[in-house]
Amino acid sequence: DVKVTQSSRYLVKRTGEKVFLECVQDMDHENMFWYRQDPGLGLRLIYFSYDVKMKEKGDIPEGYSVSREKKERFSLILESASTNQTSMYLCASSTRTSGGVETQYFGPGTRLLVL
Amino acid sequence: SQKIEQNSEALNIQEGKTATLTCNYTNYSPAYLQWYRQDPGRGPVFLLLIRENEKEKRKERLKVTFDTTLKQSLFHITASQPADSATYLCALISGGYNKLIFGAGTRLAVHP
Repeated sequence: DVKVTQSSRYLVKRTGEKVFLECVQDMDHENMFWYRQDPGLGLRLIYFSYDVKMKEKGDIPEGYSVSREKKERFSLILESASTNQTSMYLCASSTRTSGGVETQYFGPGTRLLVL
Repeated sequence: SQKIEQNSEALNIQEGKTATLTCNYTNYSPAYLQWYRQDPGRGPVFLLLIRENEKEKRKERLKVTFDTTLKQSLFHITASQPADSATYLCALISGGYNKLIFGAGTRLAVHP
């Protein structure tokens, strides 16, 4: 079974703090993704990576950065946390199947509260 | 840009009945569409995928249809059980690198 783990289930941070969210997958997947999920808005893509040291902006990258130094690990960084970044953060990974179709495997999520 | 619409209102049904959830999308027709289940406080879990050339796909009590003319997918759970209560998300490809975009999800509550 694919396993995607996230470093924390719950985090409370202060405005202005630098926040690191870590994600690790154990299935040698090429692609990794960071989403945030807010009520009524669904999952929104922040950043994704299709290879080590490669990154691409998603739909809402402002205020975030990412790092992928190893294939299994994808980190999301909030450079200076703000209250509007209070959200559920979900990491996912995927690989290409023989049919060229990808499904995504999600971690349990990190619920971040910025005070 | 691609947009997905799912009924934001919760669907309440009686145990044993068939639940039907709707996913509508705009703009181009995707090559395939996926359905995920999400329980409170957890990440989504993949359930089913249906390709554009497939009208219907089944997996145990689940059935998905895909109408590329109507730009709509229907997700059915037959003989529903309280354990089926969750939020169900549909997703389709948007842009390069096979990125997925997700609907906001529909919450299903199955009552005993």
